[in-house]
Amino acid sequence: GAVVSQHPSWVICKSGTSVKIECRSLDFQATTMFWYRQFPKQSLMLMATSNEGSKATYEQGVEKDKFLINHASLTLSTLTVTSAHPEDSSFYICSPGPDGMNTEAFFGQGTRLTVV
Amino acid sequence: KNQVEQSPQSLIILEGKNCTLQCNYTVSPFSNLRWYKQDTGRGPVSLTIMTFSENTKSNGRYTATLDADTKQSSLHITASQLSDSASYICVVSATEAGTALIFGKGTTLSVSS
Repeated sequence: GAVVSQHPSWVICKSGTSVKIECRSLDFQATTMFWYRQFPKQSLMLMATSNEGSKATYEQGVEKDKFLINHASLTLSTLTVTSAHPEDSSFYICSPGPDGMNTEAFFGQGTRLTVV
Repeated sequence: KNQVEQSPQSLIILEGKNCTLQCNYTVSPFSNLRWYKQDTGRGPVSLTIMTFSENTKSNGRYTATLDADTKQSSLHITASQLSDSASYICVVSATEAGTALIFGKGTTLSVSS
């Protein structure tokens, strides 16, 4: 299966600072990258969809100026949480776009963000 | 409204026992249904993916069933092991390319010795 590398696996930051999360697709070209957020005991919620070379599409209720997504290449997408607040503490997971019909989606290892 | 409901919310079983997790969905159009295993603090890992025409699919000790008429799926785990302790997530795709995935909240399984 596809190998997805997400970094860092966990991060603690102070309120007001920014945090960058990287997601790399190691063995196939991801024209699309999905970014999810998961709160404890909740399902994964799609935050945004990024497409290589174009602007990301954000789900309703997700602030595009707060969650900056860059998809500059077919193997790397980044999510930057700007001016982080404690309520941004969550588990963030990336998933490269499937490379075929009815193929399984692969997920990164996830990043546990704690804002103090 | 597209929804995926899973039951039970949590489950505790003894090592070696079997268990069955349930998933009901109201997703339309339906493309495929996936089961994922998510260990604590990790990303989900795929177990099975089934399309409309598939009724059952196995992956080792995991067997998933799908009834597209009643919009129900189950995941059966045979001879459970301690390493099976995880959250099991049912995901339904509304498109073949998987660009619209609807996630269930998962069933937390704890296998004890």
